[in-house]
Amino acid sequence: EDQVTQSPEALRLQEGESSSLNCSYTVSGLRGLFWYRQDPGKGPEFLFTLYSAGEEKEKERLKATLTKKESFLHITAPKPEDSATYLCAVQARGGATNKLIFGTGTLLAVQP
Amino acid sequence: DVKVTQSSRYLVKRTGEKVFLECVQDMDHENMFWYRQDPGLGLRLIYFSYDVKMKEKGDIPEGYSVSREKKERFSLILESASTNQTSMYLCASSPWDRGGEKLFFGSGTQLSVL
Repeated sequence: EDQVTQSPEALRLQEGESSSLNCSYTVSGLRGLFWYRQDPGKGPEFLFTLYSAGEEKEKERLKATLTKKESFLHITAPKPEDSATYLCAVQARGGATNKLIFGTGTLLAVQP
Repeated sequence: DVKVTQSSRYLVKRTGEKVFLECVQDMDHENMFWYRQDPGLGLRLIYFSYDVKMKEKGDIPEGYSVSREKKERFSLILESASTNQTSMYLCASSPWDRGGEKLFFGSGTQLSVL
């Protein structure tokens, strides 16, 4: 069964303290892996898509990487405005082209 | 700015009521989705649609139906609401591109069934 597991469930950082969020996945064949950010009371907002092992994407203080079994979201020198829940999702080959499988997210709190 | 609009932010209904959740997108997207989000379970796909009048079951379609009469509008229907359908409901849309994985979400409807 296709599955996505995110860790840790929650992470508290001091402003400027870099860290990484993990997304491990088991899928019959990976079509793509996606990161979303969700602020309280809002819907998720798209961040990145990664398609193959070794691929990296960057946006401001965020950098997403992908291996054959997991993805990391690296946060460099975070600011309080980076506080949010970060969701990871995968899309499997051979499945419904529109279907994403989401993890339960990592709640990130960045304290000033 | 692209937009997915859900008709209600909060909704309180009684057990057994028929409930309609409405979603409208202004981006001319082909694909539309309904998810529910529950603590510890993440987002789970209820139904999706890749064209007008077309629908596909997601992972948890039981107790729900959908309607897509116009491209921009996708409705989720709870035929007879039950307490286990208390949840945050999220609508999303995506263009027909690479399987449509770049989803644009609405702000959600928090439904409470009493």
